[in-house]
Amino acid sequence: AQRVTQPEKLLSVFKGAPVELKCNYSYSGSPELFWYVQYSRQRLQLLLRHISRESIKGFTADLNKGETSFHLKKPFAQEEDSAMYYCALSGQAGTALIFGKGTTLSVSS
Amino acid sequence: EPEVTQTPSHQVTQMGQEVILRCVPISNHLYFYWYRQILGQKVEFLVSFYNNEISEKSEIFDDQFSVERPDGSNFTLKIRSTKLEDSAMYFCASSESTRNTIYFGEGSWLTVV
Repeated sequence: AQRVTQPEKLLSVFKGAPVELKCNYSYSGSPELFWYVQYSRQRLQLLLRHISRESIKGFTADLNKGETSFHLKKPFAQEEDSAMYYCALSGQAGTALIFGKGTTLSVSS
Repeated sequence: EPEVTQTPSHQVTQMGQEVILRCVPISNHLYFYWYRQILGQKVEFLVSFYNNEISEKSEIFDDQFSVERPDGSNFTLKIRSTKLEDSAMYFCASSESTRNTIYFGEGSWLTVV
C-alpha cells in the first residue's frame, strides 16, 4: 500500500537556521515524490518534484530509495518560509497523489 | 497564469441536503481530481476523472459522491445526502497528464450542520 509519513506536525526554527522537513514513504515500485506548500490563506502549490532535481526558493530534496525518504532541506530559513508543507507520492502507474499529514514550518526572528 | 477556480468558497448546509461543488480546471488540462481535507487532518484523495469517466477513486468516494463534467469547462462534485462528517475543505485539481504537475484550486469549505 502507498503511504507517506511526515513525522513532525510542527517544526519551529529561527531565521537563518537550517531546516529539514522529514518525509518517508512506502511504495513497492518506483514512485514519483513531490513537496507541496500551502502558505496562509493560499492554495496548495507545487514546491518541487524529485525528477526535476531543481532547487526552488532555496529548498532541495533528494530521493533516497534505500531509506525510502524524501526530506526537504534549506540551509538558511527565512520568515517567509513559514507555511504548511506536504510531501506527496504518485505511483508509477499514474495513480493520484497521496499526501502526508503535513508539517507546519514556523520561522521566527 | 491560469488557475483552477472553485465555487463556492464556503457553503453551510443542513445534514441530509444535497451539495454541488463546482470547479473550472485549467483549460488545456485533461485530468481532474477532487481531494478533501477535514480540519486538522491530511489532504485525502477522493477521485480522479479523465475522458469523461472516473479513472480512480478512494474508499472515501462512496455512493454518496458523484462527479460530472456537464459541459466543456466545469467539473462538479455532488454529495447526495450530506453528513456531519462531510464537513471539510474540498480541493479541485487538474493536470495535463498523470505525470505532470497537479494544480489545485483554493478550495471550497463545506460545513454541514
